Amino acid sequence: GAVVSQHPSWVICKSGTSVKIECRSLDFQATTMFWYRQFPKQSLMLMATSNEGSKATYEQGVEKDKFLINHASLTLSTLTVTSAHPEDSSFYICSARNRRAGGGLPYFGPGTRLTVT
Amino acid sequence: DAKTTQPTSMDCAEGRAANLPCNHSTISGNEYVYWYRQIHSQGPQYIIHGLKNNETNEMASLIITEDRKSSTLILPHATLRDTAVYYCIAPPTGTASKLTFGTGTRLQVTL
Repeated sequence: GAVVSQHPSWVICKSGTSVKIECRSLDFQATTMFWYRQFPKQSLMLMATSNEGSKATYEQGVEKDKFLINHASLTLSTLTVTSAHPEDSSFYICSARNRRAGGGLPYFGPGTRLTVT
Repeated sequence: DAKTTQPTSMDCAEGRAANLPCNHSTISGNEYVYWYRQIHSQGPQYIIHGLKNNETNEMASLIITEDRKSSTLILPHATLRDTAVYYCIAPPTGTASKLTFGTGTRLQVTL
């Protein structure tokens, strides 16, 4: 089946620094990828839709200047958490859908656990 | 998305069938029902989806009522590895990629 990877799988950073998380579709092309955030014991919350070659679409309440999304190619989207604070510590998950017609359901990455100290 | 309602948690003995219900009374005629699960600290995993007819694959069976207002996910022989949070989702037609997750059902499979 289709595979979506994320890198890194976990990261610890200091408050005030920026962290970049990568999401790759390994064996298919994806014009659209989605970024989710999940706090402990809570469900996944959609943050934004990443569109290849254009600006990301953010969900209400998500700061676009804080969570920078770049979808530079059909297989890679990046999420950069800028000026990270402890409250940004969370599990970040991406998903991607095959661009070909009838490409089926989205596949999810394994997630990236971010801890801000 | 059509609103879905699931029990917060369920227990199931290993080897027995796990039946996870989902209520989606506001679902429209062309909206599918999707089931995903999330094992602790992993990304969601697709299980199965359906529209009207019952569906079965290597992981599970999906039973959808005739009026489509509810469905049941069946894991025929639950194992400890099936312990996870199970999500029932009914996204608007044409937006199947943009999935919105509710609180799901936390299934605990026990010895």
